[in-house]
Amino acid sequence: DIQMTQSPSTLSASVGDRVTITCRASQSIRTWLAWYQQKPGEAPKLLIYKASNLENGVPSRFSGSGSGTEFTLTISSLQPDDFATYYCHGGYIFGQGTKLEIK
Amino acid sequence: QVQLVQSGAEVKKPGASVKVSCKASGYTFTSYYIHWVRQAPGQGPEWMGGINPSGDRTSHAQKFQGRVTMTRDTSTSTFYLELNNLGSEDTAIYYCAREKYDNDKTDAFDVWGQGTLVTVSS
Repeated sequence: DIQMTQSPSTLSASVGDRVTITCRASQSIRTWLAWYQQKPGEAPKLLIYKASNLENGVPSRFSGSGSGTEFTLTISSLQPDDFATYYCHGGYIFGQGTKLEIK
Repeated sequence: QVQLVQSGAEVKKPGASVKVSCKASGYTFTSYYIHWVRQAPGQGPEWMGGINPSGDRTSHAQKFQGRVTMTRDTSTSTFYLELNNLGSEDTAIYYCAREKYDNDKTDAFDVWGQGTLVTVSS
């Protein structure tokens, strides 16, 4: 079975910072990777699909890259609304999540 | 607007079954895959399985083999997830989610239901 490993598990940052979250797959998933944002009490929200495609309505400060086994989600300039938990998802397996906290 | 509206919270005893519904609206019901994802308290999401647009093929995660059934009713645009032989480890929020289509399958979920809390307790 595919395993998805995210790092870091927790990230402390400030408004305006550039942050990067990494996701590694245990085997190649080509570009079949998505990123989601989840806030407490809400369903996950799709941000990026097929590794680098920005979902409709998602701000352009979010971007994704990678292929094969290594992927990244970058937020270019953190906004207050971005503090949440982020999950990668590939091969129908979700990563364990990265909680983005205010420093 | 595109929506998936799920049934209400359930409390079940160990060994019982639960059936969660997910009513679709605002899009062509028969054109998209629907998946079921659950999330235990404090944990990440877990894909359970999905049903294809024509409703004649399902796939599921191996750990649910023999316990899960996914169906749909085209007359009411409603999808169903049934999980049998419940244990305490099945306590979770259960979501239905539509797979995004971008000239092809994307393996990404763009529309989610609001979630249904299933609590398994004696």
